[in-house]
Formats: sequence, C-alpha cells, structure tokens
Amino acid sequence: DQQVKQNSPSLSVQEGRISILNCDYTNSMFDYFLWYKKYPAEGPTFLISISSIKDKNEDGRFTVFLNKSAKHLSLHIVPSQPGDSAVYFCAASKNYGQNFVFGPGTRLSVLP
Amino acid sequence: DAGVIQSPRHEVTEMGQEVTLRCKPISGHNSLFWYRQTMMRGLELLIYFNNNVPIDDSGMPEDRFSAKMPNASFSTLKIQPSEPRDSAVYFCASGKRESEDEQFFGPGTRLTVL
Repeated sequence: DQQVKQNSPSLSVQEGRISILNCDYTNSMFDYFLWYKKYPAEGPTFLISISSIKDKNEDGRFTVFLNKSAKHLSLHIVPSQPGDSAVYFCAASKNYGQNFVFGPGTRLSVLP
Repeated sequence: DAGVIQSPRHEVTEMGQEVTLRCKPISGHNSLFWYRQTMMRGLELLIYFNNNVPIDDSGMPEDRFSAKMPNASFSTLKIQPSEPRDSAVYFCASGKRESEDEQFFGPGTRLTVL
C-alpha cells in the first residue's frame, strides 16, 4: 500500500506557464515533506522541503503548499522553464526522521 | 566536493551470481542510505546507517540482501544470490544527521540480472 502517492505519472506544460505537481499521503504521522528532482542517468537532487508547522514554503520559482487536513501537498513552479523537465518525487517522513517514503514520481515536460 | 560516488555505474550479471555495489558518501556526512528504484515500486529505502551503524533495515527485501558500512567513507550493498527481479537502479545517498533537509544522492548503479 503506497503511503505517498503521485497520481499523475506525467505532466506537460508550456514554457512560462505554471506547473503544479501534486502529492497525497495516507499516514497522518508524516510531518516533514520534501521534493526531489531527477534527471535521466542522475541521482535525485533536493529541491525544497516543508514541515507540518507550515502551510507554505517558497524558494525562488518553487513553492510548496501543504494541506494537512487533506493530506495533500503540491509543488508550484512559476514560470516553468525547459530545464525544469525532469521527474519530480515527493517524499515524507515521520518525527522529522530520515526514513523517507518516496512517491512514484511525476515526469514533467516543459515545452518551449 | 566530488559528491556521492557509486561503483559500478552499470552491472550485468547472471542469475545466481553475487553482486556487490559500492558507495563512498560525501566527506563529513554521517548518514548513509541505500535505495532501489523500479518501475513498479518507485524509489524504496532499503537500509540506512547513522555513524556507520545500521538504524533501519526494514526495507531490505530478503536475506539475499546485505549491507555493510565498515567505516565512515565506504559502504557496500551485496546481493547473493542475485535474481532477475533484483534488476533495478540502486542509489546511495548521504546526509548530515543534524539536518533533516536533504540527502545527497549518487548517480546510481543500474543492475541487470539475466
């Protein structure tokens, strides 16, 4: 049973527009969430994080929103750039621990 | 910094053979993680170490899998005997225990078991 779900396997967005990647989780004990980006033939790289005491965290073009009651978080990329084309993984942990559970990933394609 | 180093980058072996994957974490990091990525199951945590001590190995699929960290700069993941269903990309990652934020991933080892 997947505890972290990313229900959209892929997403295509026009350059300059907003990309919204969604993530849902089932375990209410999760209190720390991260987004990773992965290019082909490379390991995932950290993008942005949010703890359960916040509902929003922003870093440049990237913003993560957390809705604890809905057990849902989303990553917004504005404006999207072709270099953002990658697979994005959502990950969650309990007790701010290091044992992260990853979602299956969403492949984002930003079209020029 | 060279980042997390994994070797080999690609491994093709036959069923029943022993496979050893190697990882050198980033200097100064005291946590090390082994992950497996497959199409079916995505990215799964297999085991992680803090200060060279295994903390959680609940993700290790079965006894054929074992991991060691003899010192702070080296870890191995061994599969013996290997099976075709072990074919996957295996990632090693390291991090600082004091920081909850990021784990730094290596480039991965693509394992194919024929």
